[in-house]
Amino acid sequence: GNSVTQMEGPVTLSEEAFLTINCTYTATGYPSLFWYVQYPGEGLQLLLKATKADDKGSNKGFEATYRKETTSFHLEKGSVQVSDSAVYFCALSDQTGANNLFFGTGTRLTVIP
Amino acid sequence: NAGVMQNPRHLVRRRGQEARLRCSPMKGHSHVYWYRQLPEEGLKFMVYLQKENIIDESGMPKERFSAEFPKEGPSILRIQQVVRGDSAAYFCASSQGAVETQYFGPGTRLLVL
Repeated sequence: GNSVTQMEGPVTLSEEAFLTINCTYTATGYPSLFWYVQYPGEGLQLLLKATKADDKGSNKGFEATYRKETTSFHLEKGSVQVSDSAVYFCALSDQTGANNLFFGTGTRLTVIP
Repeated sequence: NAGVMQNPRHLVRRRGQEARLRCSPMKGHSHVYWYRQLPEEGLKFMVYLQKENIIDESGMPKERFSAEFPKEGPSILRIQQVVRGDSAAYFCASSQGAVETQYFGPGTRLLVL
């Protein structure tokens, strides 16, 4: 079956620190992988995605590389800002049927000045 | 281009009442997905619809819940005889095609008293 395991939070970092949020997956077939971000009181926004092995998704200084050999899609940012404080969700879509997304449980990030 | 619209943003119901949640997809999108987010949890897929058709309702509770996406108008998620356990955030997403990226609305936060 399909599942996503995500690093548990909460994560608290100082501004300009390096961020890694781990995500591993189990999937049938060849999934597409996503990171979504949820700011307080809002819906999910697509942060980045990768559709095949070795692809790197990037946006707003965040990056994640689709690693088929380790079934991982870890999110990284070199220097976080206070405005990055949010909940981050890793997700996959198995592309073989209805395209529904399978989400991890989310990681809450708080960046302090 | 307006994003995915959901209304109401907040909905309060007493046990036994009905809740109707509306979702208007992005312009040009004919695929709609509903997800539920319980407090401090990730999103769980409920149902996937195309215009006038339910494609996959494997995540939908068997009783009290129904969804539709008529030829004209928004998609509706209907919860009959609500119970306290239905309190959650309900998110709608839309996509242009079956394997295209999903874009999320701001969600409807349902509180059952």
